Amino acid sequence: GQNIDQPTEMTATEGAIVQINCTYQTSGFNGLFWYQQHAGEAPTFLSYNVLDGLEEKGRFSSFLSRSKGYSYLLLKELQMKDSASYLCVSSDSNYQLIWGAGTKLIIKP
Amino acid sequence: DVKVTQSSRYLVKRTGEKVFLECVQDMDHENMFWYRQDPGLGLRLIYFSYDVKMKEKGDIPEGYSVSREKKERFSLILESASTNQTSMYLCASSPRDRGETGANVLTFGAGSRLTVL
Repeated sequence: GQNIDQPTEMTATEGAIVQINCTYQTSGFNGLFWYQQHAGEAPTFLSYNVLDGLEEKGRFSSFLSRSKGYSYLLLKELQMKDSASYLCVSSDSNYQLIWGAGTKLIIKP
Repeated sequence: DVKVTQSSRYLVKRTGEKVFLECVQDMDHENMFWYRQDPGLGLRLIYFSYDVKMKEKGDIPEGYSVSREKKERFSLILESASTNQTSMYLCASSPRDRGETGANVLTFGAGSRLTVL
């Protein structure tokens, strides 16, 4: 079956770095997305990886290893506004999206 | 600012009532989607549409129907609401053309939280 695994919750300190891991199993693969969702709000797109390697976008970076079925989202210089849920999403061979349950990130001062 | 607008943020309905959830997007997107989001679960696709008057079942269509009479509007209908349909409902849209990266990026509405008593 198709499956996405990511930690339920993580805690980090303001100004620090945090890495949110995601493993996926899908029928075929057409890319891996990360979305951010603040409490009570809509998910918003953060990043997309289809090739192996690291994609950097400001304080956020996303990594993909297709052979390992593994991705991570790296957040640097954490700010209080980064407190949110981070959703890992895989696109299968038919471009259908498989959603993880999300990782709730709590930032402490 | 481009957006997806869902008509109701919060609704409370009784078991057996008919419920309409409206979604409108102003981005001229071809694709529109309805998801539900429940604690501890990933988003689950209810229905989607790739064009006007076209609809496809997602992973959990039972108890739901949809309507897409105009390109910008995609409605979700609960014919007879039940307590297990209490959830957050999210509408999303995306362009047909995935662009250079091949990514079908979704733009979501703010969500409609439905409680069925």
